[in-house]
Amino acid sequence: DTGVSQDPRHKITKRGQNVTFRCDPISEHNRLYWYRQTLGQGPEFLTYFQNEAQLEKSRLLSDRFSAERPKGSFSTLEIQRTEQGDSAMYLCASSLEAGGFGDTQYFGPGTRLTVL
Amino acid sequence: AQKITQTQPGMFVQEKEAVTLDCTYDTSDPSYGLFWYKQPSSGEMIFLIYQGSYDQQNATEGRYSLNFQKARKSANLVISASQLGDSAMYFCAMRGTDSGGSNYKLTFGKGTLLTVNP
Repeated sequence: DTGVSQDPRHKITKRGQNVTFRCDPISEHNRLYWYRQTLGQGPEFLTYFQNEAQLEKSRLLSDRFSAERPKGSFSTLEIQRTEQGDSAMYLCASSLEAGGFGDTQYFGPGTRLTVL
Repeated sequence: AQKITQTQPGMFVQEKEAVTLDCTYDTSDPSYGLFWYKQPSSGEMIFLIYQGSYDQQNATEGRYSLNFQKARKSANLVISASQLGDSAMYFCAMRGTDSGGSNYKLTFGKGTLLTVNP
């Protein structure tokens, strides 16, 4: 069973540039999540997709951030006009819808972004 | 608001001994789920164990068990027979319905860095 994959694993960019990250979830999973993790902190929720619909966006997600999940398969997260404060690990997770709160989110290896 | 508190920034344990990592949570919702994840230095979050708020028994998965005390709002992770490969960051997380009605996201604590000594 292939796990969640993310590309690239590392990205170094200059302030003001745009970057795009890709996430491929576990194939049968219909739910997909993006989180951001800064040094010394736990992951913080950014956005959530059920199939192709983006159902929730965190207040952390400024208008410079946009996420898509065309056709309910892979997802992309784009950051426009990057700032040094965007430097973080960006984690993608997926899950298969289940009753209650028990559908486990499985995480990818993350994309580490460094903004110079 | 939902909140997870992990009060131990770092823990040390001798190989083959058991260790308990503390986690307390805060929520006003009676229905929620509690998770523990392991994050090695490579960065990937690895799911370890899940406990539902209505589960009568404590969850167990191999060497991992969750000591769930609902009245005290605690969900401590117990690792038995520690191995060198257990050295990693450990995060407690909760999923429930927050004040905005959202029930999809995980809320994480700040984590505990476990070091297993040979």
